[in-house]
Amino acid sequence: GENVEQHPSTLSVQEGDSAVIKCTYSDSASNYFPWYKQELGKRPQLIIDIRSNVGEKKDQRIAVTLNKTAKHFSLHITETQPEDSAVYFCAASEGGADGLTFGKGTHLIIQP
Amino acid sequence: AAGVIQSPRHLIKEKRETATLKCYPIPRHDTVYWYQQGPGQDPQFLISFYEKMQSDKGSIPDRFSAQQFSDYHSELNMSSLELGDSALYFCASRQLGGSNTGELFFGEGSRLTVL
Repeated sequence: GENVEQHPSTLSVQEGDSAVIKCTYSDSASNYFPWYKQELGKRPQLIIDIRSNVGEKKDQRIAVTLNKTAKHFSLHITETQPEDSAVYFCAASEGGADGLTFGKGTHLIIQP
Repeated sequence: AAGVIQSPRHLIKEKRETATLKCYPIPRHDTVYWYQQGPGQDPQFLISFYEKMQSDKGSIPDRFSAQQFSDYHSELNMSSLELGDSALYFCASRQLGGSNTGELFFGEGSRLTVL
């Protein structure tokens, strides 16, 4: 089955700086890669996703890049703000009704 | 807008008891997923249904079973509960067909505590 590795487990950045979280996956059949933000005790919320036919996608301060050859994808958050503090999960799946395999999560801390 | 509804939100059970969680997907969503998230852990995929048929199976214990009914709501049945079953259980739904993005929407979760 799919295995998703996520790094780092904790990331502390100064407010206004950029944050980068990286993930690798093992199953070359995976073609859907979403990123979720989860606050303590709350549901995961989709912040951005990318499909295998696209190398990069951007939505305001958030961008995701995908390298299918190397089987890795990254989340980039620019101009970080205190409300960006949360746990971020990457995930991968073959799409359709297949379940998502999540990474272990990154606790992002924005220092004021 | 309607969201994924889960009930109950909180549930406390004793070891070896049985629990049932319910999920009502967003109207017109044809696919339902169940995830288990232990404290400080990532969500673990349990099982999914597409158009009321089981579609994919993850790390669901044999003590657990699930089904999706004709009105598309789904239930997760957990028997012989163990302490390690204490977790947040999320249901999520999406619409695979049609022209939308197929975004996966999560419910608020059901917190199960096994004593």
